[in-house]
Amino acid sequence: GEDVEQSLFLSVREGDSSVINCTYTDSSSTYLYWYKQEPGAGLQLLTYIFSNMDMKQDQRLTVLLNKKDKHLSLRIADTQTGDSAIYFCAEGPYSSASKIIFGSGTRLSIRP
Amino acid sequence: NAGVTQTPKFQVLKTGQSMTLQCAQDMNHNSMYWYRQDPGMGLRLIYYSASEGTTDKGEVPNGYNVSRLNKREFSLRLESAAPSQTSVYFCASTALGGEQYFGPGTRLTVT
Repeated sequence: GEDVEQSLFLSVREGDSSVINCTYTDSSSTYLYWYKQEPGAGLQLLTYIFSNMDMKQDQRLTVLLNKKDKHLSLRIADTQTGDSAIYFCAEGPYSSASKIIFGSGTRLSIRP
Repeated sequence: NAGVTQTPKFQVLKTGQSMTLQCAQDMNHNSMYWYRQDPGMGLRLIYYSASEGTTDKGEVPNGYNVSRLNKREFSLRLESAAPSQTSVYFCASTALGGEQYFGPGTRLTVT
């Protein structure tokens, strides 16, 4: 079945770039999502990309998609303390959210 | 605009007790979802409701029931709680498709 995998932890220094990686297995056309979960809160959609795109940029966020390797990354430029959170990668059809598969989340911590 | 609200925020149950988790959204969304979040396992879909009057099983429905009371409200019931149901439960809703709006979660402990 479909699976989405992420590393569990990432620690970066404040001001550096953070790169969070994700791999997925579904080979059909799909959307790939990045959600952010702050402590004690629900998930919030950061950005998403369709599987026929290579890159999407939105201010400090850059999403890169390598469709051949089924590898997705989220780069956060100039990482700030407010970026401390758990970041979830997810994949699935836009038309049917019930079929979205979530990764286990990467906890990003920021060092001063 | 409150978005998606959930009650209670925290709950402790003894094995065998029952309870209902409440969820409501004020965005006029058609579809609503219940997930559980366990450490190292991401979110797993318990049940969902594509529209008012319909409900369907997700990945992990055993031990749970749901009710789509109206377009706004979608409740999750544990009839006989078990320690394996200790988790954080999230409700979510969507308008037409993939962008989901999540509630703040209910942290449930079953002893």
